[in-house]
Amino acid sequence: EAQVTQNPRYLITVTGKKLTVTCSQNMNHEYMSWYRQDPGLGLRQIYYSMNVEVTDKGDVPEGYKVSRKEKRNFPLILESPSPNQTSLYFCASRWGEGNEQFFGPGTRLTVL
Amino acid sequence: GQQLNQSPQSMFIQEGEDVSMNCTSSSIFNTWLWYKQEPGEGPVLLIALYKAGELTSNGRLTAQFGITRKDSFLNISASIPSDVGIYFCAGQEMEYGNKLVFGAGTILRVKS
Repeated sequence: EAQVTQNPRYLITVTGKKLTVTCSQNMNHEYMSWYRQDPGLGLRQIYYSMNVEVTDKGDVPEGYKVSRKEKRNFPLILESPSPNQTSLYFCASRWGEGNEQFFGPGTRLTVL
Repeated sequence: GQQLNQSPQSMFIQEGEDVSMNCTSSSIFNTWLWYKQEPGEGPVLLIALYKAGELTSNGRLTAQFGITRKDSFLNISASIPSDVGIYFCAGQEMEYGNKLVFGAGTILRVKS
């Protein structure tokens, strides 16, 4: 089944404790993105990647890192999480610039 | 980063009623997408529009790509309880590497 998977689905952590949210897609998509969803703000792009080893900042990159060492994986790293990073995070992938974007199921992160 | 203006923010309607929501932008888009998000899930694509003036249907859903390329609407006819969810518009900007920009979402509740 074609899909985007994220882990973990739920995470509660404390300020400053490094964490990684994994994302994997099995559709051989070139483009992958991370979004955060907050009430009233919709989906805001954090980082995106156009291919292996090619990443760029989205609208809200502060406090986040990403890497794209393999085509299928695009982990999101929070080196020192803070409470304002409490949010619902989505990973997404697509073939190319003009194509449908598939979303993962989401990761709900709470930073205390 | 730019956000689309999506309205209304929320709707609480009677089952069987028609629903209309729209998005506007100050930028020109080359693609408009409409997504639906159900609780605990990632957004799922409903309709994609690729040409100005295009009118596309998907079952009870109809969406149009505005002729100015700065707006789009989504109509749902004869709403049913399973239409409940958050509906997002998204536009793909020509000038920013085909970046996808999302509206804040319309929360739809259906009273049966």
